[in-house]
Amino acid sequence: EAGVVQSPRYKIIEKKQPVAFWCNPISGHNTLYWYLQNLGQGPELLIRYENEEAVDDSQLPKDRFSAERLKGVDSTLKIQPAELGDSAVYLCASSLGVWGTLPDNEQFFGPGTRLTVL
Amino acid sequence: GQQLNQSPQSMFIQEGEDVSMNCTSSSIFNTWLWYKQDPGEGPVLLIALYKAGELTSNGRLTAQFGITRKDSFLNISASIPSDVGIYFCAGTTAGGTSYGKLTFGQGTILTVHP
Repeated sequence: EAGVVQSPRYKIIEKKQPVAFWCNPISGHNTLYWYLQNLGQGPELLIRYENEEAVDDSQLPKDRFSAERLKGVDSTLKIQPAELGDSAVYLCASSLGVWGTLPDNEQFFGPGTRLTVL
Repeated sequence: GQQLNQSPQSMFIQEGEDVSMNCTSSSIFNTWLWYKQDPGEGPVLLIALYKAGELTSNGRLTAQFGITRKDSFLNISASIPSDVGIYFCAGTTAGGTSYGKLTFGQGTILTVHP
Protein backbone atom coordinates (compact mmCIF):
# COMPACT_ATOMS: atom_id res chain seq x y z
CA GLU A 1 0.00 0.00 0.00
CA ALA A 2 1.33 3.43 -0.94
CA GLY A 3 2.20 5.82 1.83
CA VAL A 4 1.62 9.55 1.94
CA VAL A 5 2.80 11.10 -1.32
CA GLN A 6 4.13 14.62 -1.52
CA SER A 7 5.38 16.68 -4.42
CA PRO A 8 7.60 18.29 -5.28
CA ARG A 9 10.34 16.88 -3.03
CA TYR A 10 12.45 19.98 -3.44
CA LYS A 11 11.63 23.54 -4.47
CA ILE A 12 13.88 26.56 -4.84
CA ILE A 13 12.26 29.94 -5.42
CA GLU A 14 13.08 33.60 -5.06
CA LYS A 15 11.44 35.62 -2.34
CA LYS A 16 8.09 37.16 -3.14
CA GLN A 17 7.29 34.32 -5.55
CA PRO A 18 4.32 32.01 -4.94
CA VAL A 19 4.78 28.29 -4.26
CA ALA A 20 2.45 25.34 -3.82
CA PHE A 21 2.87 21.91 -2.29
CA TRP A 22 0.70 18.90 -2.99
CA CYS A 23 -0.17 15.96 -0.75
CA ASN A 24 -2.00 12.71 -1.46
CA PRO A 25 -2.85 10.92 1.80
CA ILE A 26 -3.12 7.21 2.39
CA SER A 27 -6.30 5.86 0.82
CA GLY A 28 -9.19 5.91 3.27
CA HIS A 29 -7.58 8.34 5.69
CA ASN A 30 -10.06 11.03 6.65
CA THR A 31 -7.71 13.30 8.56
CA LEU A 32 -4.90 15.22 6.88
CA TYR A 33 -2.25 17.40 8.49
CA TRP A 34 0.27 19.93 7.23
CA TYR A 35 3.35 20.50 9.37
CA LEU A 36 6.26 22.93 9.16
CA GLN A 37 9.68 21.63 10.19
CA ASN A 38 12.46 24.15 10.59
CA LEU A 39 16.06 22.98 10.59
CA GLY A 40 16.97 21.40 13.90
CA GLN A 41 13.40 21.44 15.18
CA GLY A 42 10.48 19.09 15.44
CA PRO A 43 7.43 19.46 13.19
CA GLU A 44 4.84 22.10 14.08
CA LEU A 45 1.23 21.75 13.03
CA LEU A 46 -0.03 24.29 10.51
CA ILE A 47 -3.48 22.93 9.73
CA ARG A 48 -5.57 19.82 10.22
CA TYR A 49 -8.43 18.68 8.00
CA GLU A 50 -11.16 16.22 8.83
CA ASN A 51 -12.44 15.27 5.39
CA GLU A 52 -12.72 18.61 3.57
CA GLU A 53 -13.18 20.73 6.69
CA ALA A 54 -10.26 22.61 8.27
CA VAL A 55 -10.84 21.95 11.98
CA ASP A 56 -7.62 23.41 13.38
CA ASP A 57 -5.85 26.18 11.46
CA SER A 58 -4.84 28.29 14.43
CA GLN A 59 -1.13 28.00 13.59
CA LEU A 60 -1.49 28.83 9.89
CA PRO A 61 -0.18 32.35 9.02
CA LYS A 62 -3.23 33.34 7.07
CA ASP A 63 -1.77 36.50 5.59
CA ARG A 64 0.39 34.49 3.21
CA PHE A 65 -0.47 30.82 3.68
CA SER A 66 -3.57 29.06 2.40
CA ALA A 67 -4.62 25.46 2.13
CA GLU A 68 -7.42 23.49 0.60
CA ARG A 69 -8.62 19.92 0.56
CA LEU A 70 -11.24 19.73 -2.13
CA LYS A 71 -13.31 16.52 -2.12
CA GLY A 72 -11.64 15.49 1.13
CA VAL A 73 -8.72 13.64 -0.47
CA ASP A 74 -5.73 15.50 -1.93
CA SER A 75 -4.58 18.74 -0.38
CA THR A 76 -2.60 21.75 -1.51
CA LEU A 77 -0.67 24.17 0.69
CA LYS A 78 0.21 27.53 -0.86
CA ILE A 79 2.47 30.38 0.16
CA GLN A 80 2.07 33.74 -1.55
CA PRO A 81 4.34 35.61 -1.43
CA ALA A 82 7.18 33.52 -0.01
CA GLU A 83 9.66 35.09 2.42
CA LEU A 84 13.21 34.06 3.30
CA GLY A 85 12.02 32.73 6.65
CA ASP A 86 9.71 30.25 4.94
CA SER A 87 12.67 28.05 4.03
CA ALA A 88 11.90 24.76 5.75
CA VAL A 89 10.53 21.28 5.20
CA TYR A 90 6.76 21.05 4.78
CA LEU A 91 5.42 17.69 5.91
CA CYS A 92 2.05 16.18 5.19
CA ALA A 93 0.57 13.44 7.35
CA SER A 94 -2.66 11.49 7.38
CA SER A 95 -4.60 9.29 9.77
CA LEU A 96 -7.85 7.36 9.77
CA GLY A 97 -9.16 9.81 12.36
CA VAL A 98 -8.10 11.57 15.52
CA TRP A 99 -10.26 9.91 18.13
CA GLY A 100 -9.37 6.98 20.31
CA THR A 101 -6.07 5.16 20.30
CA LEU A 102 -3.84 3.44 17.80
CA PRO A 103 -4.17 2.41 15.09
CA ASP A 104 -7.04 4.79 14.31
CA ASN A 105 -5.21 7.95 15.22
CA GLU A 106 -1.66 7.07 14.16
CA GLN A 107 -0.30 9.77 11.89
CA PHE A 108 1.68 8.59 8.88
CA PHE A 109 4.05 11.18 7.48
CA GLY A 110 5.10 11.80 3.91
CA PRO A 111 8.75 12.53 2.99
CA GLY A 112 8.16 16.27 2.93
CA THR A 113 8.91 19.10 0.52
CA ARG A 114 12.12 20.99 1.20
CA LEU A 115 11.60 24.64 0.33
CA THR A 116 14.49 27.05 -0.16
CA VAL A 117 13.67 30.73 -0.58
CA LEU A 118 16.51 32.84 -2.00
CA GLY B 1 5.77 27.56 19.95
CA GLN B 2 6.87 24.14 21.13
CA GLN B 3 6.47 23.20 24.76
CA LEU B 4 8.58 20.05 24.99
CA ASN B 5 12.23 20.05 26.05
CA GLN B 6 14.14 17.08 24.76
CA SER B 7 17.62 16.06 25.88
CA PRO B 8 20.29 15.49 25.01
CA GLN B 9 20.35 17.42 21.73
CA SER B 10 22.84 14.96 20.25
CA MET B 11 24.63 11.75 21.17
CA PHE B 12 27.68 10.02 19.76
CA ILE B 13 27.97 6.39 20.87
CA GLN B 14 29.70 3.17 19.97
CA GLU B 15 27.81 0.29 18.46
CA GLY B 16 26.50 -1.99 21.19
CA GLU B 17 26.06 0.74 23.79
CA ASP B 18 22.73 1.59 25.38
CA VAL B 19 21.13 4.98 24.79
CA SER B 20 18.77 7.02 26.94
CA MET B 21 16.97 10.22 26.06
CA ASN B 22 14.16 12.10 27.74
CA CYS B 23 11.52 14.68 27.23
CA THR B 24 9.94 17.09 29.70
CA SER B 25 7.01 19.43 29.45
CA SER B 26 5.54 22.30 31.40
CA SER B 27 2.09 21.00 30.49
CA ILE B 28 0.32 17.72 31.10
CA PHE B 29 -0.07 15.43 28.14
CA ASN B 30 -2.44 12.47 27.95
CA THR B 31 -0.42 10.64 25.31
CA TRP B 32 3.33 10.41 24.72
CA LEU B 33 4.80 9.25 21.43
CA TRP B 34 8.33 8.61 20.22
CA TYR B 35 9.26 9.00 16.55
CA LYS B 36 12.40 8.40 14.48
CA GLN B 37 13.22 10.49 11.42
CA ASP B 38 15.77 9.46 8.82
CA PRO B 39 17.32 12.04 6.45
CA GLY B 40 14.93 13.08 3.70
CA GLU B 41 12.01 11.23 5.25
CA GLY B 42 9.11 11.99 7.54
CA PRO B 43 8.97 10.83 11.16
CA VAL B 44 7.96 7.21 11.80
CA LEU B 45 6.18 6.18 15.00
CA LEU B 46 8.21 3.91 17.29
CA ILE B 47 6.23 3.69 20.52
CA ALA B 48 2.99 5.16 21.90
CA LEU B 49 2.17 5.53 25.61
CA TYR B 50 -1.32 6.21 26.95
CA LYS B 51 -1.22 5.81 30.73
CA ALA B 52 0.84 7.53 33.41
CA GLY B 53 3.50 5.11 34.63
CA GLU B 54 3.15 2.89 31.56
CA LEU B 55 6.31 1.12 30.42
CA THR B 56 6.23 -0.17 26.86
CA SER B 57 8.79 -2.05 24.77
CA ASN B 58 9.21 -2.48 21.04
CA GLY B 59 12.17 -4.74 20.34
CA ARG B 60 15.29 -3.02 21.65
CA LEU B 61 13.30 0.14 22.46
CA THR B 62 11.68 0.83 25.82
CA ALA B 63 9.72 3.96 26.69
CA GLN B 64 7.96 5.15 29.82
CA PHE B 65 5.16 7.64 30.45
CA GLY B 66 6.06 9.66 33.54
CA ILE B 67 3.83 9.57 36.61
CA THR B 68 3.39 13.35 36.55
CA ARG B 69 2.28 13.17 32.88
CA LYS B 70 4.90 15.82 32.17
CA ASP B 71 7.78 13.62 31.07
CA SER B 72 8.79 10.53 29.15
CA PHE B 73 11.99 8.69 28.36
CA LEU B 74 13.19 6.39 25.61
CA ASN B 75 15.90 3.77 25.95
CA ILE B 76 17.59 1.93 23.11
CA SER B 77 19.56 -1.14 24.09
CA ALA B 78 22.53 -2.60 22.22
CA SER B 79 22.60 0.12 19.56
CA ILE B 80 23.34 -0.77 15.94
CA PRO B 81 24.37 1.48 13.02
CA SER B 82 20.81 1.63 11.62
CA ASP B 83 19.67 3.34 14.84
CA VAL B 84 21.25 6.51 13.47
CA GLY B 85 18.72 9.27 13.00
CA ILE B 86 16.78 11.95 14.83
CA TYR B 87 14.47 10.86 17.63
CA PHE B 88 11.51 13.04 18.54
CA CYS B 89 9.20 12.89 21.49
CA ALA B 90 5.67 14.16 20.99
CA GLY B 91 2.69 14.65 23.23
CA THR B 92 -1.01 15.11 22.69
CA THR B 93 -3.71 16.75 24.76
CA ALA B 94 -7.43 16.13 24.85
CA GLY B 95 -10.30 18.46 24.24
CA GLY B 96 -11.93 20.50 21.49
CA THR B 97 -10.32 21.12 18.14
CA SER B 98 -6.88 20.43 19.63
CA TYR B 99 -7.74 16.81 20.29
CA GLY B 100 -4.95 14.67 18.98
CA LYS B 101 -2.74 17.65 18.15
CA LEU B 102 0.89 16.59 18.32
CA THR B 103 3.45 18.83 20.01
CA PHE B 104 6.99 17.76 19.18
CA GLY B 105 10.28 18.14 21.03
CA GLN B 106 13.27 19.53 19.18
CA GLY B 107 14.82 16.11 18.64
CA THR B 108 17.87 14.10 19.69
CA ILE B 109 20.40 13.41 16.95
CA LEU B 110 21.88 9.93 17.43
CA THR B 111 25.15 8.91 15.80
CA VAL B 112 26.38 5.33 16.18
CA HIS B 113 30.01 4.53 15.43
CA PRO B 114 30.63 0.96 14.22
